[in-house]
Order: sequence, then C-alpha cells, then structure tokens
Amino acid sequence: RKEVEQDPGPFNVPEGATVAFNCTYSNSASQSFFWYRQDCRKEPKLLMSVYSSGNEDGRFTAQLNRASQYISLLIRDSKLSDSATYLCVVTPGYGGATNKLIFGTGTLLAVQP
Amino acid sequence: ETGVTQSPTHLIKTRGQQVTLRCSSQSGHNTVSWYQQALGQGPQFIFQYYREEENGRGNFPPRFSGLQFPNYSSELNVNALELDDSALYLCASSFGQGDYEQYFGPGTRLTVT
Repeated sequence: RKEVEQDPGPFNVPEGATVAFNCTYSNSASQSFFWYRQDCRKEPKLLMSVYSSGNEDGRFTAQLNRASQYISLLIRDSKLSDSATYLCVVTPGYGGATNKLIFGTGTLLAVQP
Repeated sequence: ETGVTQSPTHLIKTRGQQVTLRCSSQSGHNTVSWYQQALGQGPQFIFQYYREEENGRGNFPPRFSGLQFPNYSSELNVNALELDDSALYLCASSFGQGDYEQYFGPGTRLTVT
C-alpha cells in the first residue's frame, strides 16, 4: 500500500466551480501535512500547510482528520490559473530525515474556460 | 524564485554511464534533500544531507550516492545508469532538519537511452 494515496484525476471543471481533492495516508505517526502545487514540467511549490483545526487561504481550504488519516483540499471559484497538479504530502516524523517529504502521485486539475 | 539552482537543466545519457547532478542551496540553508520524480508520479525521496553528512535515505540502491560541500551545495551521483533512472531530479533546501518548509530547485531532467 502506498504511504500517501490520491485520486490521480484528471479533474476537468469549468471556471468558477468548486473542486475538492482528497488524500489518505497510511502511517498514523505522520507528523506534518501539506498541499503542494506543481505546474507542468516545473518544480513543486508549497501551497499550504494542513492542520487539524483546518486552515484557509483565500479560495483554498485545507483540512486534516487524524483519526481517519485523511487530508482534503477545497478550491472555490476555480480560475484558469489553478490548472496544475496538486500533490498531497506528509512527513514521517521518525527515523532519519524526519522532515523528508512523502508525496502522493498528485491530482491533475484542468480548469476550462 | 526560491534561490535554489540546479545544473544541468537537461541531460541525455546512455545505459551504463555515470552522471553527476548539482544543486546550490538557498543562502543560509544547511540541509539539502534529493528527490526523483518519474513521469506521472510524485517525487520520491532519495536522501538528505545535513551539514555534510547523509541524514537519511529512501529506498534507492547504493549506485545513487551524494555529497554535500562546506558551502552546503550538493551533488547527486548515479552509477551504472538504467533506463528506469530517466526522471526529473529535484533538490530541495531547508534550514535545519526541523524546518519543514523546503524550497525546490527547478530540477534536472535526465533521459537514459
């Protein structure tokens, strides 16, 4: 079983739509949680950290459910510029390199005009 | 821009050859992590260097090796290249091991024929 699992998509949505991505992780000891964004043929960039209390940054809302080992990302009022791959990421919090990033395969979002 | 640079941008090698990839970390960062991203996959952790010492390694064979220099720049060496080594190689720098914000360079795209 993969450590971080995501629906690979693609998600094709019209501009203005609300879209939700989900992710599960297998290790209950995982310590930190993130969503990264990766544009085609570019490096990943941190979109936001994810906390149990939930956090919001403009049109983006992220949520963590530790009991279910589930992470979500909600994008409201989608823009064309939101088209990218969204990567769910956890850190193990144990062993060497406790801050190594464990990535899911990513979910491709295509926002259509 | 993150201030993390990588060279070369692209590289084509043949099976069995050896390759060296380079990464210059962001100013003030003493930790460099390397990741391999195959097409359609999320990045996978190769290893991390902290203050010139290897500080954790992912599930990669010994023919993947690295080095970190006193100025905290780093090299990734891959011997006996295989076709499956074709991927985007990303380095990420951070300050210390507990700082979870890692800044990625643009990557080196390696093609093995």
